[in-house]
Amino acid sequence: LAKTTQPISMDSYEGQEVNITCSHNNIATNDYITWYQQFPSQGPRFIIQGYKTKVTNEVASLFIPADRKSSTLSLPRVSLSDTAVYYCLVVLANAGGTSYGKLTFGQGTILTVHP
Amino acid sequence: GAVVSQHPSRVICKSGTSVKIECRSLDFQATTMFWYRQFPKQSLMLMATSNEGSKATYEQGVEKDKFLINHASLTLSTLTVTSAHPEDSSFYICSAKLPGLQTNNEQFFGPGTRLTVL
Repeated sequence: LAKTTQPISMDSYEGQEVNITCSHNNIATNDYITWYQQFPSQGPRFIIQGYKTKVTNEVASLFIPADRKSSTLSLPRVSLSDTAVYYCLVVLANAGGTSYGKLTFGQGTILTVHP
Repeated sequence: GAVVSQHPSRVICKSGTSVKIECRSLDFQATTMFWYRQFPKQSLMLMATSNEGSKATYEQGVEKDKFLINHASLTLSTLTVTSAHPEDSSFYICSAKLPGLQTNNEQFFGPGTRLTVL
């Protein structure tokens, strides 16, 4: 499974756009890039997933360059409630086998949103 | 959306006792569930993959005889921490994914169980 590297922490202010970049140099052809959010003492929550280019949903956008060796999670106009840990994961998808669906969490990025 | 529950949310036990944690998929059937452990200020660590009707697959370094996993139905997986010791105190989280091959890797996580072993 490809290892991911992301900043340990980031600080922002309410109303700002936050971009969290993740490196995954060893990503494989069948890997998808997935982001999860975790609040203290709660289970993680799926945010977004992508394979290449740009993906957008109601809460975030995910930008993936052509070489797929990195990705950027973009959170528009953050609020205090977006303070959480954000995990970038590379996941083997749709291929069966023992590694299918397994999530390997890295250290994550602690995002703190200030008033 | 898919909901996963865990019970209990918090448990305190004495050293040497066994504790059972339940993980339920409330509105979908989950042939595969996953168990994670998370120590304070650390990331989640996958412990094992629970497969309905078959033996669980444990990650390297996780003692299968200490962490017993039973996935007896399509909506329930249980994790039993046997002969618990203070070092087993942690936040245990389960997750489940929709059945079948999915391009969407979304897993649905339970709220977690805080285990404290005295």
